[in-house]
Amino acid sequence: QQQVKQSPQSLIVQKGGISIINCAYENTAFDYFPWYQQFPGKGPALLIAIRPDVSEKKEGRFTISFNKSAKQFSLHIMDSQPGDSATYFCAASSGGYQKVTFGTGTKLQVIP
Amino acid sequence: EPEVTQTPSHQVTQMGQEVILRCVPISNHLYFYWYRQILGQKVEFLVSFYNNEISEKSEIFDDQFSVERPDGSNFTLKIRSTKLEDSAMYFCASSPGLGTNEKLFFGSGTQLSVL
Repeated sequence: QQQVKQSPQSLIVQKGGISIINCAYENTAFDYFPWYQQFPGKGPALLIAIRPDVSEKKEGRFTISFNKSAKQFSLHIMDSQPGDSATYFCAASSGGYQKVTFGTGTKLQVIP
Repeated sequence: EPEVTQTPSHQVTQMGQEVILRCVPISNHLYFYWYRQILGQKVEFLVSFYNNEISEKSEIFDDQFSVERPDGSNFTLKIRSTKLEDSAMYFCASSPGLGTNEKLFFGSGTQLSVL
């Protein structure tokens, strides 16, 4: 019940295209849903996050869509760029940052 | 932007040996964490630490693991008797406070290889 399921495992997108990564969760106690971006040799870095009281959050080219009833959320990267090539993790937590549960990660490659 | 610093970046040890992984959290942060990532797998929570004591730990964090803040700047993870399955990237993280408005900052990690 603590799992966060993430798909796809890997994704190749043309430059300028839309990258979409999907996640699903079971634990209804989760109240915070961050997305992390990880480049090789680096730690995860917070990209964007959403709380379940809103259905969408947009920051620049990155948008989170959240469906509370379906217990699903997704990351959309508009106008994908080669510099976006990284591993993306969805995550969830409750009651603050005490314990963040990560998804299995999506390796995104944006090709020119 | 301030960074969480971890040393060493790579650590190789023999099975059964003790290893200490070191971290310098961001200076004004109050909450400290260790996470690990086995190659190709997801990032997993190990432990959180606040006010000089463990506030939460996962089932992974058994008696072989311990954490310490020996002085005002360092935060360490000790594995007493390493096993092959402890081989992973270990990430230290810190946050200024607790709550969903507080950003979690990760270090670049220590790659631990147990032979």
